[in-house]
Amino acid sequence: NAGVTQTPKFQVLKTGQSMTLQCAQDMNHNSMYWYRQDPGMGLRLIYYSASEGTTDKGEVPNGYNVSRLNKREFSLRLESAAPSQTSVYFCASSLPTETDTQYFGPGTRLTVL
Amino acid sequence: SQKIEQNSEALNIQEGKTATLTCNYTNYSPAYLQWYRQDPGRGPVFLLLIRENEKEKRKERLKVTFDTTLKQSLFHITASQPADSATYLCAVSGGYQKVTFGTGTKLQVIP
Repeated sequence: NAGVTQTPKFQVLKTGQSMTLQCAQDMNHNSMYWYRQDPGMGLRLIYYSASEGTTDKGEVPNGYNVSRLNKREFSLRLESAAPSQTSVYFCASSLPTETDTQYFGPGTRLTVL
Repeated sequence: SQKIEQNSEALNIQEGKTATLTCNYTNYSPAYLQWYRQDPGRGPVFLLLIRENEKEKRKERLKVTFDTTLKQSLFHITASQPADSATYLCAVSGGYQKVTFGTGTKLQVIP
């Protein structure tokens, strides 16, 4: 039982390049999330998916797109990376309960030059 | 706007003492308050959840209180150990609104 897995662990991009961050969970959770974490800013929600086939914007969605490929997988795409997107990205999943307790992946550290 | 505030300064305490971390929230009436632990280079890990109708919750050496009048939660680690050194995040949730996290407080337990 791996929980939430993310690939890659580290990535360096040049401004304007594109890339997709992958996330998968094996806990049979319905809801999945993408956060970014920056010093002094805490975790900020980029996008979330309450169930397979649905996605919604979070607090900071600009510059990102997501795909909920199936119940297990939720990917985050940067179409044209900018230095402001340098951050640590976390994927999380949760059961569809009111408490929304989150289970996080190990994170992807992204640097955009 | 909704705001979750945690002490941004690191908290240094002596091993064996009780560490107390504070989480204050404004413009929000959460049904649940959660605490997570985050180690360097890793994702946050869920520790405890307390409901708005609960005053206190305990789990081993951890204790959480929730004061909806003061809009504050306190997180206590008793008999602290160097292995407790980490950043602790509080988060509010409720009514199927998305979880909102604080910025975290870094705890350093000195041997």
